[in-house]
Amino acid sequence: KNEVEQSPQNLTAQEGEFITINCSYSVGISALHWLQQHPGGGIVSLFMLSSGKKKHGRLIATINIQEKHSSLHITASHPRDSAVYICAAPETSGSRLTFGEGTQLTVNP
Amino acid sequence: EPEVTQTPSHQVTQMGQEVILRCVPISNHLYFYWYRQILGQKVEFLVSFYNNEISEKSEIFDDQFSVERPDGSNFTLKIRSTKLEDSAMYFCAILRGWTQYFGPGTRLLVL
Repeated sequence: KNEVEQSPQNLTAQEGEFITINCSYSVGISALHWLQQHPGGGIVSLFMLSSGKKKHGRLIATINIQEKHSSLHITASHPRDSAVYICAAPETSGSRLTFGEGTQLTVNP
Repeated sequence: EPEVTQTPSHQVTQMGQEVILRCVPISNHLYFYWYRQILGQKVEFLVSFYNNEISEKSEIFDDQFSVERPDGSNFTLKIRSTKLEDSAMYFCAILRGWTQYFGPGTRLLVL
């Protein structure tokens, strides 16, 4: 069973700061998901990555498969980035996801 | 446009009642998942459904739960006799490529 750990649990930043959220998992996988959950509860897929780095706007996700570690970075953070960020790892490709606890990010103006 | 929608968005029910949660993909998908999130806890896997059959289920998915695809497109999760602890947000997800896309969720409150 894959164990997924995230840090930090809570993060408060000032607008414009560079944010890093970390995720580690216990079982080797082929890819990892980063998700965003807004206060209303809906979940949005941000990235699915299997190696290296992916960038979408101000969001950057990196993964090191050998070290079983991934990071999500937000550059020039903005209050609208305030949300819960969750990493999730599959047991095998395409199968059930195991979710981390989530990181509650609050960006203050 | 979202890959998948869910109905209802909210449901309040009495303990012991049956509820049916629906997942409506915008196009045909073979792989579906149901997850739930109890308030303040992490998201948990319930069941996966491939090609009209359950492919995997968790220990949470006991006899009070069932899934089906009644009309070949919609995908339902039925809770036969709801308990207080079934109060949660229920998400369905579809698989496209290697990425799972989540519906907006149904918030279920059991009184």
